[in-house]
Amino acid sequence: AQSVAQPEDQVNVAEGNPLTVKCTYSVSGNPYLFWYVQYPNRGLQFLLKYITGDNLVKGSYGFEAEFNKSQTSFHLKKPSALVSDSALYFCAVRETGTASKLTFGTGTRLQVTL
Amino acid sequence: NAGVMQNPRHLVRRRGQEARLRCSPMKGHSHVYWYRQLPEEGLKFMVYLQKENIIDESGMPKERFSAEFPKEGPSILRIQQVVRGDSAAYFCASSPLPGGARFSGNTIYFGEGSWLTVV
Repeated sequence: AQSVAQPEDQVNVAEGNPLTVKCTYSVSGNPYLFWYVQYPNRGLQFLLKYITGDNLVKGSYGFEAEFNKSQTSFHLKKPSALVSDSALYFCAVRETGTASKLTFGTGTRLQVTL
Repeated sequence: NAGVMQNPRHLVRRRGQEARLRCSPMKGHSHVYWYRQLPEEGLKFMVYLQKENIIDESGMPKERFSAEFPKEGPSILRIQQVVRGDSAAYFCASSPLPGGARFSGNTIYFGEGSWLTVV
């Protein structure tokens, strides 16, 4: 079975500082990894994904994520946080096979303060 | 290109009534997923459908819940005899190609959700 762990319920960072939201995964085959962001009372917006190739993936709104196979991690990063980045962030793994549903982590709330 | 469309956005039902949630996938997408998000929790997979076929319903409760994606029209998630514990946000998502190893990297796009409140 595939699973994702987001060890931090909340991450607090000051505006302008770099941010990291952690994610580790467990999957039997090749991992296809995704990050989504959710603003209050809204749906999930796709940020970025890792399929294959370069371990550093760049996505929307200045976010990037680094795939580390040896540590089975896919941490989300941004060099300089904005107050408007405050939201709920979900890491997800896509299973291979016929039923390719996304399995989500429990989410990490990012709070960026002035 | 319109995104995944869900309606209603908000739905209030009394205990014992039926809730029917609709989802139209993005244009060109033929595969639909339903997820449930309970308050302050993550997303839990419910069901994965393609037109006229249920691919994976391993996350669906055994009773009262059903889903369909007919040849014509939106996908429907139906909850019969709702109870207070059914109160949640229900999200639909779609993807452009079938599942399977070759296409597992395709992005799944989400709708804005349907918030069900059972009173």
